[in-house]
Amino acid sequence: AAGVIQSPRHLIKEKRETATLKCYPIPRHDTVYWYQQGPGQDPQFLISFYEKMQSDKGSIPDRFSAQQFSDYHSELNMSSLELGDSALYFCATNGVRRETQYFGPGTRLLVL
Amino acid sequence: GENVEQHPSTLSVQEGDSAVIKCTYSDSASNYFPWYKQELGKGPQLIIDIRSNVGEKKDQRIAVTLNKTAKHFSLHITETQPEDSAVYFCAAFGGTSYGKLTFGQGTILTVHP
Repeated sequence: AAGVIQSPRHLIKEKRETATLKCYPIPRHDTVYWYQQGPGQDPQFLISFYEKMQSDKGSIPDRFSAQQFSDYHSELNMSSLELGDSALYFCATNGVRRETQYFGPGTRLLVL
Repeated sequence: GENVEQHPSTLSVQEGDSAVIKCTYSDSASNYFPWYKQELGKGPQLIIDIRSNVGEKKDQRIAVTLNKTAKHFSLHITETQPEDSAVYFCAAFGGTSYGKLTFGQGTILTVHP
């Protein structure tokens, strides 16, 4: 079965640079959630989109923005990167069963 | 908002033993409780879930129980195998935090051969 696709899988950036993470949902899934997971931590919700509109917002820094496109893929844009932004970034998607979220493999971001 | 507490933080068992991980939640309006297994370098994988109108659910060696009155739910793994070794997260969904999962802190399960 098709799964959630995230790209890139690994990303190394310098401080103050920008990064763009991409998420491609499971086919027919229209909702995307972004989570940040620090080392040894549980995933923390950042932001979500339903039918291309922002549906909920969590602990997302103002330096980050995200959007969902007409094909339902989503991009997380991160600017003015800080060392503390180094983490695993997951997107999760769901469709008809609104509460069941399926996670992608994640993007490991390292800020030097 | 919702707050989920998970215990223990680490759990070590011998192959064939049972493992139990417990979680409590704070928002009585939460109505969906999934469990995820996360292996090193991978995304969380949904292994079982339970809705608030059900007290217990079982899938082969894995079972989850829910006590709505006490606001706690547990994961039970029987006949553990080394490949069960991973980090397990409980989560809660619904209520005032509708639209997002609130995770517990995670349990590192190690199954020794």
